[in-house]
Amino acid sequence: NAGVTQTPKFQVLKTGQSMTLQCAQDMNHEYMSWYRQDPGMGLRLIHYSVGAGITDQGEVPNGYNVSRSTTEDFPLRLLSAAPSQTSVYFCASSRDRVYEQYFGPGTRLTVT
Amino acid sequence: AQSVTQPDIHITVSEGASLELRCNYSYGATPYLFWYVQSPGQGLQLLLKYFSGDTLVQGIKGFEAEFKRSQSSFNLRKPSVHWSDAAEYFCAVGAFNSGGYQKVTFGTGTKLQVIP
Repeated sequence: NAGVTQTPKFQVLKTGQSMTLQCAQDMNHEYMSWYRQDPGMGLRLIHYSVGAGITDQGEVPNGYNVSRSTTEDFPLRLLSAAPSQTSVYFCASSRDRVYEQYFGPGTRLTVT
Repeated sequence: AQSVTQPDIHITVSEGASLELRCNYSYGATPYLFWYVQSPGQGLQLLLKYFSGDTLVQGIKGFEAEFKRSQSSFNLRKPSVHWSDAAEYFCAVGAFNSGGYQKVTFGTGTKLQVIP
């Protein structure tokens, strides 16, 4: 049982490039979320999903897209990277809406 | 909308000393409250949670937290800190939106340093 996995661990992009951050979980969790963590700001919710085919925006969705075609995978797409998207990105999953979240190890993204 | 305040950005304690990390929340109804810990370069791990019932909750690694509705607080405590407790600690409050999703709002974190 690997839990929540994220790839890559580190990524450097140039402004305007696009990329996809991968997230997968093997716990059959319905709920999955993407957060970004910036110094002094805690974690902020980007997008979330309550099941395959269902996604919604969090508090900082601009510049990011998500889709959920399977229960296991929840990729985050950066459409046109900007320096303001330099951050550490965490994917999380939970069994149900009232349960605690399990976090992946994070992806550190730098946009130059 | 809910919010969480962790007033201490950085705390230093001696190994073996007691610890209390402060957390205040703002939410109109009974909240779901969490404490997570993040070791350097790692994701977050749940320490404990409060949903209802006994206001003193026990967690992993010897941590406990007490929910005080009158003070809107959910402070984390440990009677004797170990060097391995050095990490960043996040308080979080969960609330359900109109779609039934529990949106979790995190505090800005408290970094704990443990000195020998």
